[in-house]
Amino acid sequence: SAVISQKPSRDICQRGTSLTIQCQVDSQVTMMFWYRQQPGQSLTLIATANQGSEATYESGFVIDKFPISRPNLTFSTLTVSNMSPEDSSIYLCSARFSGANVLTFGAGSRLTVL
Amino acid sequence: AQSVTQPDIHITVSEGASLELRCNYSYGATPYLFWYVQSPGQGLQLLLKYFSGDTLVQGIKGFEAEFKRSQSSFNLRKPSVHWSDAAEYFCAVGELDSSYKLIFGSGTRLLVRP
Repeated sequence: SAVISQKPSRDICQRGTSLTIQCQVDSQVTMMFWYRQQPGQSLTLIATANQGSEATYESGFVIDKFPISRPNLTFSTLTVSNMSPEDSSIYLCSARFSGANVLTFGAGSRLTVL
Repeated sequence: AQSVTQPDIHITVSEGASLELRCNYSYGATPYLFWYVQSPGQGLQLLLKYFSGDTLVQGIKGFEAEFKRSQSSFNLRKPSVHWSDAAEYFCAVGELDSSYKLIFGSGTRLLVRP
């Protein structure tokens, strides 16, 4: 079955720094997304990662805070910039694999900002 | 606006007992509905989905769900719970157009008593 790998799986970061999360899929995908899951909360869509162009952000999320890249079909990065404790969350990459009508999720990257 | 409500934050059942997790949705057209499970430290795993047709859908791990349009519900059931079913369960409604976005409920945490 299709596999999504994220790294880091977890990290502890200092306030004001930035961290980049990588997402690699093992086969062809048509769409890739980034979600945020704040502590004890549900998942919220941050953006759709578009190959070779700017990501499409949801209301409440901006490129300056969450720059996203997708240089090819199977790889994407999410950067959490100028972090504050409120950014402590699990960030999940998801993808729609070719021929599938469902989204597959990575295991997530748990960020703690001190 | 689309929304998903999971009215139960926590549910505790005894091992071997039956389970029903509630999910209500608000959606303007025929919804595409999903149940995902998130075990501690894991990503989201798809349990089952409803797109159309038979309103009772079978999923993995012995789970099933029934779509009831008149009640705007998509409740998840299992006849006999195993200790390994303890996890967080998320109901989601999605669009299968070009955007492929999912809106998640707030989740229900299932605890299983020995």
